[in-house]
Amino acid sequence: EVQLVQSGADVKKPGESLKISCQTSGFHFPIHWIGWVRQMPGRGLEWVGIIYPGDSDVRYNPSLQGRVTLSVDKSVSSAYLQLNVLEASDSGMFYCVRPMMVGAVVAGIDFWGQGTLVTVSS
Amino acid sequence: QSALTQPPSASGSPGQSVTISCTGTSSDVGGYSYVSWYQHHPGKAPKLLIYDVSKRPSGVPDRFSASRSGNTASLTVSGLQAEDEADYYCSSYVIGSNLGVFGGGTKLTVL
Repeated sequence: EVQLVQSGADVKKPGESLKISCQTSGFHFPIHWIGWVRQMPGRGLEWVGIIYPGDSDVRYNPSLQGRVTLSVDKSVSSAYLQLNVLEASDSGMFYCVRPMMVGAVVAGIDFWGQGTLVTVSS
Repeated sequence: QSALTQPPSASGSPGQSVTISCTGTSSDVGGYSYVSWYQHHPGKAPKLLIYDVSKRPSGVPDRFSASRSGNTASLTVSGLQAEDEADYYCSSYVIGSNLGVFGGGTKLTVL
């Protein structure tokens, strides 16, 4: 059974950094892209980025590029999202996901983590 | 990229059918067969309902069906059940994007 288990909720102050983890199981981690999707309050879903554990190839949402870093630790089949210089508007739910890839195309998402609620407030 | 356009809400009575639309452009929904739909019960992980425009993963009831006409994709929920009350999101590949785009979501209420 594929599982994506994320770290717990977090509260940060503006300007701080955030790091969320995603422990995976049930599939061969090195050969599957892993991604992150966020949902800000009252808004829809938005891609943060995706990473290929095999070679750490990454793609970021241009709106976040420069503040976000995706990484993996193949030894523990885990992925990480780090978001720097947090703003109140970064508050929301962050989901770890396993995208379905057709070549280089993101064709959808077949598995989702349970979500990590992030609150950024002074 | 702009989000795909979904109606904010939809509703139906138990046993009825409801259709949710997802409108994009020829650069996304209308141009490629990588349209997917997700069901999200608040507090739970979203769930894949449909991929490649109209394919259902194993385990998804055939009450959920989807199609596309031009730049608009549609999700139909037939034989509505109370458990279908949830938020529904569409998603599509976008030419020139390395990630894709989501719709704004539709809250389905079972009356």
